Amino acid sequence: NAGVTQTPKFRILKIGQSMTLQCTQDMNHNYMYWYRQDPGMGLKLIYYSVGAGITDKGEVPNGYNVSRSTTEDFPLRLELAAPSQTSVYFCASSYIGLYNEQFFGPGTRLTVL
Amino acid sequence: AQSVTQPDIHITVSEGASLELRCNYSYGATPYLFWYVQSPGQGLQLLLKYFSGDTLVQGIKGFEAEFKRSQSSFNLRKPSVHWSDAAEYFCAVGDLDSQEKSSGDKLTFGTGTRLAVRP
Repeated sequence: NAGVTQTPKFRILKIGQSMTLQCTQDMNHNYMYWYRQDPGMGLKLIYYSVGAGITDKGEVPNGYNVSRSTTEDFPLRLELAAPSQTSVYFCASSYIGLYNEQFFGPGTRLTVL
Repeated sequence: AQSVTQPDIHITVSEGASLELRCNYSYGATPYLFWYVQSPGQGLQLLLKYFSGDTLVQGIKGFEAEFKRSQSSFNLRKPSVHWSDAAEYFCAVGDLDSQEKSSGDKLTFGTGTRLAVRP
């Protein structure tokens, strides 16, 4: 049982490049989330999904896209990377409902130069 | 909208000393409250949570937290800190509205408190 896995762990992008951050969970969780963490700012919700085929915007969705074709996978797409997207990105998942904790992946550190 | 304030950015304590990390929240109804810990280079791990009932909740690793409605606080405590407790700690409040509407159990996080432990 690997929990929540994220790839890659580190990535450096040039301005304007695109990339996809991968997230997979093997706990059969319905809910999945993408957060970004900036120094001194805590975690901000980018997008979330309550099940396969259903996604919705969080607090800071601009510049990102997501899809949820399966229960297990929730990739995050950056289409035109900008320096403001330099951050650490965390994927998380949970069972239905707030009573259940969110399980976090180890994160992806992204630098846009 | 709900918000969470963690007034202490950095705290340093000696090993064996007691610890209290502060958390204040803003929310219209009874909040769902959480404390998470993040070790260096790792994701977040749940320490404890409060939904209702007893206002003193016990968590993992010897941590506890007390919900005080009158002070809008949910402070985290540990009687004796170990060097392995050095990490960043995040308080979070859950969105009850989203829970009731089945639109996702979204959390709002504080900015975190970084704990250093002196030998």
